[in-house]
Amino acid sequence: AQKVTQAQTEISVVEKEDVTLDCVYETRDTTYYLFWYKQPPSGELVFLIRRNSFDEQNEISGRYSWNFQKSTSSFNFTITASQVVDSAVYFCALSEAQAGTALIFGKGTTLSVSS
Amino acid sequence: EAGVTQFPSHSVIEKGQTVTLRCDPISGHDNLYWYRRVMGKEIKFLLHFVKESKQDESGMPNNRFLAERTGGTYSTLKVQPAELEDSGVYFCASSSSGNTEAFFGQGTRLTVV
Repeated sequence: AQKVTQAQTEISVVEKEDVTLDCVYETRDTTYYLFWYKQPPSGELVFLIRRNSFDEQNEISGRYSWNFQKSTSSFNFTITASQVVDSAVYFCALSEAQAGTALIFGKGTTLSVSS
Repeated sequence: EAGVTQFPSHSVIEKGQTVTLRCDPISGHDNLYWYRRVMGKEIKFLLHFVKESKQDESGMPNNRFLAERTGGTYSTLKVQPAELEDSGVYFCASSSSGNTEAFFGQGTRLTVV
């Protein structure tokens, strides 16, 4: 069965600190997609990244970076030099490779960044 | 381009009443999904439409929930009669055909009292 675990329920940091959000997944599929979504206080889920299981190359987008390790079934998300606007709930998700399949979400990690 | 929009943003109803949630997907997106997050838990899949057809409704909790997507455009999710455990945030998402990237709406926060 597919499963996503985000062990960190809440994280609190001070501005400019780096923070890593952990995500561990389980799947029997050989091809799959991994996602990160951000849910700011306004409520909507904002897409951050999608990673194909065949692509283990790490990705950096501004202050955001993602570390995909198939050997440990992890897809961790790091925010460098955190800012107050990064405060949100972050969800990791998994789906089969076939387009149109449902996402399996983790429980989310609430990140609070204080000034 | 307008994103996925959901109505209402909040709804408070009494146990036993009926509530209808609406989702307008991004124009041209054939895939429409409903998800639900109960407080403190993971976001769970409810069902998936491809155009007007239900592709997968394995996540629907029981027959008090009815989803429709007439004409393959907007979708409604009706809860009748509502129970306390139905409280949560209901998300709608849409994606284009052949694309795994789903765009989510802001959610409808349903509170059943």
